Amino acid sequence: DTGVSQDPRHKITKRGQNVTFRCDPISEHNRLYWYRQTLGQGPEFLTYFQNEAQLEKSRLLSDRFSAERPKGSFSTLEIQRTEQGDSAMYLCATSPGGRGTDTQYFGPGTRLTVL
Amino acid sequence: QQQVKQSPQSLIVQKGGISIINCAYENTAFDYFPWYQQFPGKGPALLIAIRPDVSEKKEGRFTISFNKSAKQFSLHIMDSQPGDSATYFCAAYLSGTYKYIFGTGTRLKVLA
Repeated sequence: DTGVSQDPRHKITKRGQNVTFRCDPISEHNRLYWYRQTLGQGPEFLTYFQNEAQLEKSRLLSDRFSAERPKGSFSTLEIQRTEQGDSAMYLCATSPGGRGTDTQYFGPGTRLTVL
Repeated sequence: QQQVKQSPQSLIVQKGGISIINCAYENTAFDYFPWYQQFPGKGPALLIAIRPDVSEKKEGRFTISFNKSAKQFSLHIMDSQPGDSATYFCAAYLSGTYKYIFGTGTRLKVLA
C-alpha cells in the first residue's frame, strides 16, 4: 500500500452514463497525475496537477474527460457520456514535488467497465 | 517522437537466472528513466531510475544500463526469483513537460 487511495476500485456502467473517480494523495504531495491503462499496455498520461492547478492535459483526452483538484488535496476525474472504448484502469499517482523529477507513488487504480 | 519501445513482450526465466528487458527511445528531450514493477490488481511501483549522465545504476539485484548514444536502456534482474514474476514497465520523463511516457510492458515469469 503506497498511501495513495482511489475510489471506487471497480465501476461498471452503461454506455452514455457519467462516472466520477476519486483519488486521495499521500498527505502533502503537491503533484498529482492521472493515467489510463488498457490491457497489455503501459499507463497513458492523461493530466497533471501541481497543487490545485491543472498544468498539463493530454491532447488525446477528449472533451468528455474533466479533472479537478480543489484545494490541492484530493482529485476527481469525471467521464461524461461514457463509451465502450473508455473501459480501462484509471490510475492516480502522486509525488512530493520539489525541484525536477521525483518518485511517483501509484494508487491501486479504478477499473472501469462500460457495457 | 514521444514513444518508448520496450521488448520483449514476455519473458520466462529460470530461478537464479538473469532477466533482461530493453527499452529504446528517439526523443532526446527525455531526461529521466524510471522502471516500474506491477503486480496484478496493483498500481505500478518504482523499482529504480536513472538519469542520462550516468551509464549504470545498481540497487540490490536490479541494475539499469544506459546507452545515451544508442538511446537505449535496459533493466537487468540478477538472481531472478519467483516473487519477481510481474509486469515491468520502462518510462521516460519528457523535459519541459510533466509527462511520463511508458513502454508497453514486459510480462516476466520466473520458474521455480
